[in-house]
Amino acid sequence: DGGITQSPKYLFRKEGQNVTLSCEQNLNHDAMYWYRQDPGQGLRLIYYSQIVNDFQKGDIAEGYSVSREKKESFPLTVTSAQKNPTAFYLCASSIDPRRTKSSGANVLTFGAGSRLTVL
Amino acid sequence: GQQLNQSPQSMFIQEGEDVSMNCTSSSIFNTWLWYKQDPGEGPVLLIALYKAGELTSNGRLTAQFGITRKDSFLNISASIPSDVGIYFCAGQKFSTSGTYKYIFGTGTRLKVLA
Repeated sequence: DGGITQSPKYLFRKEGQNVTLSCEQNLNHDAMYWYRQDPGQGLRLIYYSQIVNDFQKGDIAEGYSVSREKKESFPLTVTSAQKNPTAFYLCASSIDPRRTKSSGANVLTFGAGSRLTVL
Repeated sequence: GQQLNQSPQSMFIQEGEDVSMNCTSSSIFNTWLWYKQDPGEGPVLLIALYKAGELTSNGRLTAQFGITRKDSFLNISASIPSDVGIYFCAGQKFSTSGTYKYIFGTGTRLKVLA
């Protein structure tokens, strides 16, 4: 079955350490996204990539980095510069709606999330 | 960053009651999406709307794409305990630069009392 796989599901980090969250999709989607969710809050966009080897900052990119070397993969690194990294992180993907006239293209598909806790 | 105005923020309802929530914006969207998120999981798509005025159902769920393209609502009929969760709306639009983006609502937290 096609879908988005995030790993690990739970991650603990000591202060000052960098950690990388994995996101892999086999949906052949063009675009991939990283969102952060804090308890009781909505989704805030960290980074997004609409094409391989290109990515753009979202609303809260400071302290995070990404790469998009393959269409299927969009890993997120939470660096030591991120002051408050404890959160639930969600990866998503979509077809580029500009590529197709199919109305079904304009849908975001999410992974199951990764919960990062800083000790 | 921009967020859609979603209301209500939270709801406590009795099992069997109908639920209504909505999202509004000052921007026009091409697509409206409604998601449900269970605790500790990723959001799951419930309904997608693509045309102004479109009314779409998915079981006990019904959603509409506002005529002005600036709003959408979601109704849940005859609620059951497993409807508990957070419901998010999202709008998709193209920017002037030719890129596209998704804007999310702040979420409606639904609790169903048996």
